[in-house]
Amino acid sequence: GAVVSQHPSWVICKSGTSVKIECRSLDFQATTMFWYRQFPKQSLMLMATSNEGSKATYEQGVEKDKFLINHASLTLSTLTVTSAHPEDSSFYICSASVGRSTDTQYFGPGTRLTVL
Amino acid sequence: GENVEQHPSTLSVQEGDSAVIKCTYSDSASNYFPWYKQELGKRPQLIIDIRSNVGEKKDQRIAVTLNKTAKHFSLHITETQPEDSAVYFCAASTPNSGYALNFGKGTSLLVTP
Repeated sequence: GAVVSQHPSWVICKSGTSVKIECRSLDFQATTMFWYRQFPKQSLMLMATSNEGSKATYEQGVEKDKFLINHASLTLSTLTVTSAHPEDSSFYICSASVGRSTDTQYFGPGTRLTVL
Repeated sequence: GENVEQHPSTLSVQEGDSAVIKCTYSDSASNYFPWYKQELGKRPQLIIDIRSNVGEKKDQRIAVTLNKTAKHFSLHITETQPEDSAVYFCAASTPNSGYALNFGKGTSLLVTP
């Protein structure tokens, strides 16, 4: 149980284009989903927290107009990287928890984004 | 916000030896402390976690200790095996932040045969 999937697993795009990454909880309802970014040989950095039906809460330094997060259902959250640039190339990982007061998170497999 | 420090950044041990990784946190409201193992290009894998109402937890070769007063927690791996080689991350979270995880910088563990 508690499986989280992400799609796509990897994507290559041209600079200036937008890319959408999907995060799905397959066998549970995820009230809260988190988006993390991980640069090579670095740690995971929280980008934003999204609760179903609410606007996402972004961490300081993360541009909400550049990284659009939508959590329209209890099983799906999407991250859209708008006007992507090479510096946005990174490993994007989502996670989900069952309730708003639940500490355990289940991670997706990650999406490797390369912007040319 | 929460700040999690992790040491060492790299650790090399011989197979069969023990490995210890230490983390400190800054927010006294943190009450959930998971440890993750991450292999290259893969998702973090939860290996053990501890909550603030417990001082120690063990699962076979892996144990975690928590000292709330000193705000530090440690991962102990005994009888290390080559397949334990990976990057290990500690993390801390608080209910106030919806349990969003603040990660340490990671420890690259190498177990040599």
